[in-house]
Amino acid sequence: GAVVSQHPSWVICKSGTSVKIECRSLDFQATTMFWYRQFPKQSLMLMATSNEGSKATYEQGVEKDKFLINHASLTLSTLTVTSAHPEDSSFYICSAPPGTRDFYEQYFGPGTRLTVT
Amino acid sequence: SQKIEQNSEALNIQEGKTATLTCNYTNYSPAYLQWYRQDPGRGPVFLLLIRENEKEKRKERLKVTFDTTLKQSLFHITASQPADSATYLCALGDQGGKLIFGQGTELSVKP
Repeated sequence: GAVVSQHPSWVICKSGTSVKIECRSLDFQATTMFWYRQFPKQSLMLMATSNEGSKATYEQGVEKDKFLINHASLTLSTLTVTSAHPEDSSFYICSAPPGTRDFYEQYFGPGTRLTVT
Repeated sequence: SQKIEQNSEALNIQEGKTATLTCNYTNYSPAYLQWYRQDPGRGPVFLLLIRENEKEKRKERLKVTFDTTLKQSLFHITASQPADSATYLCALGDQGGKLIFGQGTELSVKP
């Protein structure tokens, strides 16, 4: 089946630094990828839609200058959390619909646990 | 605003029984509805998709129903096993692929 990977799986950083999270589709091309954030015991919240070759579309309330998204190729999207603060600590998950199948079927990465100290 | 509600309490059932999870939504007309399984510290795993014009879908021991009039979906796991213990997420989707998730229901199947 379609596989989506994320790197790193977990990261600890100091407040004020930036962290980059990668999302890769391993066996299919993804013109669109989605980034979600999940706080403990809460639902996944869509942050932004990443489009290959164009600017990302951010959901209401998500700061585009803080969460930089770059979809550089058909298999890679990156999320950079700039000037991270403890409240940015969360579980970040990406997803992608396999282009060769039903677009609505999505495959999620394993997630990246970010802890900001 | 859009709202999705799943059984807020954890569901505890005996092995072999059927687990039924509920997903209700308001202020939204989804193109489709999906169910995912999520284990602790992992990303969601896709289980089933049902479109707005479909009433029922089955896949092995899983069955999902979708009532767009009631704005409700039911998710059934028959002959449940301890390995089915996880959190199950309901998600509503639009034509662009964007998903809105419920908060999830934690299922525990006891041997």
